[in-house]
Amino acid sequence: DTAVSQTPKYLVTQMGNDKSIKCEQNLGHDTMYWYKQDSKKFLKIMFSYNNKELIINETVPNRFSPKSPDKAHLNLHINSLELGDSAVYFCASRGLGAGELFFGEGSRLTVL
Amino acid sequence: AQSVTQPDIHITVSEGASLELRCNYSYGATPYLFWYVQSPGQGLQLLLKYFSGDTLVQGIKGFEAEFKRSQSSFNLRKPSVHWSDAAEYFCAVGPREVQNFVFGPGTRLSVLP
Repeated sequence: DTAVSQTPKYLVTQMGNDKSIKCEQNLGHDTMYWYKQDSKKFLKIMFSYNNKELIINETVPNRFSPKSPDKAHLNLHINSLELGDSAVYFCASRGLGAGELFFGEGSRLTVL
Repeated sequence: AQSVTQPDIHITVSEGASLELRCNYSYGATPYLFWYVQSPGQGLQLLLKYFSGDTLVQGIKGFEAEFKRSQSSFNLRKPSVHWSDAAEYFCAVGPREVQNFVFGPGTRLSVLP
């Protein structure tokens, strides 16, 4: 049973398109995150939700919109994709009381 | 605001040699500290973590790390490196509150046969 699962693993799309990445965790955690990893491997937090409520919203273009239908799911929708959006996007979750982050396997987005 | 630095961008060691990866953090109180490993094309896996207590913590795959409050450091060590340890290593700090888990820039480890 995968603890944090993301789909799809790979996306290849044209500039200007819209795409979504889905994330689900079966750990019972209250907090979920989206991180972006660029080509230099730097990990940058984008969003965090705690029990479906947005608690961290870093400086991210408003083309990126997270949605949390329930505390086990956090999806990421990206409008009007740009070349600079090409990256690996990681979903993660963390339990109450601040344990470690559990990561999904990542979704590699390539914008052509 | 908390921050994490990893001074070494890339380290190359020979198989069987010892390893130390450096991590320094900036945080107002005692943070939770973590080391993660990322193999090529994979997600991040937790190696070890420090919350409190004994400042020398043991992790998976034979890794250990030592928390030194006076130096604001949390260096990762392994006595004998295996070829399969070649990967990217990330140090991270997470406050006791749930928000805002911050990663260092990573250190890429290469292992020579």
